Amino acid sequence: DADVTQTPRNRITKTGKRIMLECSQTKGHDRMYWYRQDPGLGLRLIYYSFDVKDINKGEISDGYSVSRQAQAKFSLSLESAIPNQTALYFCATSETWTGKAFFGQGTRLTVV
Amino acid sequence: EDQVTQSPEALRLQEGESSSLNCSYTVSGLRGLFWYRQDPGKGPEFLFTLYSAGEEKEKERLKATLTKKESFLHITAPKPEDSATYLCAVQASIGGGADGLTFGKGTHLIIQP
Repeated sequence: DADVTQTPRNRITKTGKRIMLECSQTKGHDRMYWYRQDPGLGLRLIYYSFDVKDINKGEISDGYSVSRQAQAKFSLSLESAIPNQTALYFCATSETWTGKAFFGQGTRLTVV
Repeated sequence: EDQVTQSPEALRLQEGESSSLNCSYTVSGLRGLFWYRQDPGKGPEFLFTLYSAGEEKEKERLKATLTKKESFLHITAPKPEDSATYLCAVQASIGGGADGLTFGKGTHLIIQP
């Protein structure tokens, strides 16, 4: 089993719909992250969390929200999806002292 | 603002032809510089972390080096299975280190048999 698991792997949704992407980890790490990847733009940080009581905005948080339900679970929501949120989304965890990050397999989201 | 620039954007090599990928960075205090490999449709996979200028790390045909302004990923006698996108990222020491990684756009490497 993967250390960082994302669901769903692929999703097509309509403009204006609410959608949630889920992430769970078995690494035991406190720190979790959501990134999006777009062709030509690379990976950009959306939100990150130190622990279940700590949520922080990243570089591109507008239009997104997150919930840290437990140490192992971190979900990303698009309250009202728009086409320019079409992208590949990655969840990651990291070791506190080394910063070494572990990524999930990604969720390919298409907003039509 | 932390910035990472990778070059070239794409590189095509013959099997066995050695080369280097470049990662230039500006960061408000470097906590660590990371190299990741990403295969199509998959998440980035950790390769190396470098923490201070002069440091070097090796793994099979890959060797990463670090100076105060840039890092190189040297690929020696590559094989087709080394084909992937290689990502460079930095983590700043200012900001608590939990701000996540700042990534470059990557170098898409193709090794032809």
